[in-house]
Amino acid sequence: NAGVTQTPKFQVLKTGQSMTLQCAQDMNHNSMYWYRQDPGMGLRLIYYSASEGTTDKGEVPNGYNVSRLNKREFSLRLESAAPSQTSVYFCASSERLALNNEQFFGPGTRLTVL
Amino acid sequence: RKEVEQDPGPFNVPEGATVAFNCTYSNSASQSFFWYRQDCRKEPKLLMSVYSSGNEDGRFTAQLNRASQYISLLIRDSKLSDSATYLCVVNRAGANNLFFGTGTRLTVIP
Repeated sequence: NAGVTQTPKFQVLKTGQSMTLQCAQDMNHNSMYWYRQDPGMGLRLIYYSASEGTTDKGEVPNGYNVSRLNKREFSLRLESAAPSQTSVYFCASSERLALNNEQFFGPGTRLTVL
Repeated sequence: RKEVEQDPGPFNVPEGATVAFNCTYSNSASQSFFWYRQDCRKEPKLLMSVYSSGNEDGRFTAQLNRASQYISLLIRDSKLSDSATYLCVVNRAGANNLFFGTGTRLTVIP
């Protein structure tokens, strides 16, 4: 099993460009998450999907959209990238939304917005 | 006030030493507590959950103090491979997400 996979691993954008970060999991998990990690801030939840067909905002959703394409895939879209969105983005999944469930993380996408 | 606060370190300890990290959380209604480990430029991975009665997993011991709202992680007989950043993670009742601390960096020196 690959676990949680993310593409791309690295990306450089110019301000105003758009892009979609892809995430897939092969563990048959119901819940999926997108986080960003910035120095001195810890991981912060952007959006999550409790189950296929549902999505909800996390702590820092502004400037992002998500799509839960099917049970396996959860994508994150930046419509008009800004330098403040320079960060490392992690996708995660868990068996269900219960807060005592372990979350499994993908390897991350390092995004720089110039 | 942040939901979760940790001393960022770094903690530099010799092999074989015992080291302890603390983490404080702000919301007394928090119910679930974890320690995650993150290696440099890698993803976080669950190290252990923290239970009310305290729990041990090999050289690692986690404790919860609800009255003072902190959790701790004790690492005995430190190994070089323990070098990493340790993230304190807490949920808040009624919130469908986990709150991650900024992490405490540990370096074990030969």
